[in-house]
Amino acid sequence: DAGVIQSPRHEVTEMGQEVTLRCKPISGHDYLFWYRQTMMRGLELLIYFNNNVPIDDSGMPEDRFSAKMPNASFSTLKIQPSEPRDSAVYFCASTFGGSEAFFGQGTRLTVV
Amino acid sequence: QKEVEQNSGPLSVPEGAIASLNCTYSDRGSQSFFWYRQYSGKSPELIMFIYSNGDKEDGRFTAQLNKASQYVSLLIRDSQPSDSATYLCATHNDMRFGAGTRLTVKP
Repeated sequence: DAGVIQSPRHEVTEMGQEVTLRCKPISGHDYLFWYRQTMMRGLELLIYFNNNVPIDDSGMPEDRFSAKMPNASFSTLKIQPSEPRDSAVYFCASTFGGSEAFFGQGTRLTVV
Repeated sequence: QKEVEQNSGPLSVPEGAIASLNCTYSDRGSQSFFWYRQYSGKSPELIMFIYSNGDKEDGRFTAQLNKASQYVSLLIRDSQPSDSATYLCATHNDMRFGAGTRLTVKP
């Protein structure tokens, strides 16, 4: 398996624009996690899914953030409208049955 | 909000020394933990998983869990410059991470 695949690797956008980050988990994994990492706040859990169902979205900062998992092989994290304070590295990770989480390479988002 | 706390460091140790990294957690329901290592600009990768009170050893790494005191630690023996990274602990049940401790091993 190619591992967890995230796209794009880098995204630069203007404030107010919509941003969509994508994640393809490892085939067969049943949990998917979205994280945001900054120097100030570390690695924050935003939301996680089990079998495509959102289980805990308490880490989603505000209504501008939304996440979906329409099937077992794809998830999106959307920010609309984006703001400069959303600039961070966003990671997606997947696991099977609560075992080790495998991380994607991350998407570095810059909002100017 | 369930909290996982780590000293952000930086922690600097000389090559060959023991590096000690600590993590405390607030949720008594958390029973098991991961330690991850993250090199600069890279993704976190798993080092250790611990679920029982006491010590677990894997090569130069020893994880320690004390559920009564709600802390988990990681010891790195014979530290090498290649161990320089950020070390993150995480709860197993919901994969919440601490902020991480940045370790520098000086030659």
